[in-house]
Amino acid sequence: GEDVEQSLFLSVREGDSSVINCTYTDSSSTYLYWYKQEPGAGLQLLTYIFSNMDMKQDQRLTVLLNKKDKHLSLRIADTQTGDSAIYFCAEKRDDYKLSFGAGTTVTVRA
Amino acid sequence: SAVISQKPSRDICQRGTSLTIQCQVDSQVTMMFWYRQQPGQSLTLIATANQGSEATYESGFVIDKFPISRPNLTFSTLTVSNMSPEDSSIYLCSVDTGQGEETQYFGPGTRLLVL
Repeated sequence: GEDVEQSLFLSVREGDSSVINCTYTDSSSTYLYWYKQEPGAGLQLLTYIFSNMDMKQDQRLTVLLNKKDKHLSLRIADTQTGDSAIYFCAEKRDDYKLSFGAGTTVTVRA
Repeated sequence: SAVISQKPSRDICQRGTSLTIQCQVDSQVTMMFWYRQQPGQSLTLIATANQGSEATYESGFVIDKFPISRPNLTFSTLTVSNMSPEDSSIYLCSVDTGQGEETQYFGPGTRLLVL
C-alpha cells in the first residue's frame, strides 16, 4: 500500500471552503507538500509546511499539520471554478525523495 | 524558485524504439529526480540523477530500461528504451532547491504514447 493516503474525490460548491485530507506514515518526514495538477498540465507547487509547524496560511490556502496523528490537510477558502484539479499530498524523506498520495480530484460545481 | 523546461512536451512512438527526454533548469541544482505518472495514477520516482556519477534507481526501475545522464548541474536526460505500450505515461523531472528553501519543483512533463 501507499505510504501517503488521500481520499480520491471531493465535490464542492463554488464559494464554499474545500478541505482535502492526507495521512502519511513516515515520522521522519521533514517537509510536506501540496501540489495541484490541472488537466493536461504538470505539477504546480501550491504550498508546503515544515514538520515542526502546525499551521501555515497563504492567501486562500491554509495547511494544518497534526504530527502526532500524521495528518495533513489543505483548506481552500472561497473555492472557485479554477480550483478544479487534482491535488497531491507529498512527504519528503531525509533523502530528499518525495512520496506521493494518489491525488484528490476536486470538482467545483456552480 | 526554479524554472524547469522539458523536451519534447509530447510524443507518439512505435514499440521497440527509444526516446530521450531532456530536462533543463534555469539555475544550478544538486538534486534532480525523474518521475513517472501512468494514466490516472499518482507519481512514482524512477531515479535520482546524480551529477558526475551514475543515477540511483528505485525498486522496479533499471538502468538498461531508463538510462539517465547528468552532465552538469542544470541539465539531465532520461531515455525510455525499447518501448512498449506499458511505457505510455507522463515523465516529469523535478529539482530540489535544497537548504534554505527546501522546495521541490517539477517540469511540465513529457507525455509519451507508445503504439
